[in-house]
Amino acid sequence: AQSVAQPEDQVNVAEGNPLTVKCTYSVSGNPYLFWYVQYPNRGLQFLLKYITGDNLVKGSYGFEAEFNKSQTSFHLKKPSALVSDSALYFCAVRESIAGRRALTFGSGTRLQVQP
Amino acid sequence: GAVVSQHPSRVICKSGTSVKIECRSLDFQATTMFWYRQFPKKSLMLMATSNEGSKATYEQGVEKDKFLINHASLTLSTLTVTSAHPEDSSFYICSASGRGNEQFFGPGTRLTVL
Repeated sequence: AQSVAQPEDQVNVAEGNPLTVKCTYSVSGNPYLFWYVQYPNRGLQFLLKYITGDNLVKGSYGFEAEFNKSQTSFHLKKPSALVSDSALYFCAVRESIAGRRALTFGSGTRLQVQP
Repeated sequence: GAVVSQHPSRVICKSGTSVKIECRSLDFQATTMFWYRQFPKKSLMLMATSNEGSKATYEQGVEKDKFLINHASLTLSTLTVTSAHPEDSSFYICSASGRGNEQFFGPGTRLTVL
């Protein structure tokens, strides 16, 4: 079975400061990892993904994430936060094997960027 | 990126009625579509996976007679909530996947059952 943990319900950061949203995962094989952002009453918007290759993945809106296999982590980062980054962030995982392609989502982390 | 639409975006219905939600992939062929349910301030819970032309695979605890899923074409899947009750009120989100690894999400449908 696959699972995702986002240990922080909320992260508060001042505008202009770096931000990190944590994610750890568990899968039986190689993981495909994703980050999505959700604004109020909206669907999910794709930010970035790790499939294979470089451990540091760059995505939309200046976000990046680092895949760490030994720590089974895929933390989301941004060097300088914007107020408009305030939203709900979901980490998701699926196994790389063929067959089941559904994503398992973490519980979400609400990012609050203060001006 | 690929675009997935959902219709309606918001629906209010009376208890006991049925509601149909459409999920369309607008610019690609979706061999697989997924239906998720999201409770307030909670994560997305997978309800079912549907492949075009075959019966949907439901997750444990999801009543297939309650939540009817049809994936009749490569661009359309529908979720029908039958005999809706207030506890069915939720945010329903679909996603679509082609031959690649990525899922593209619809904007969601807010269902309120009175």
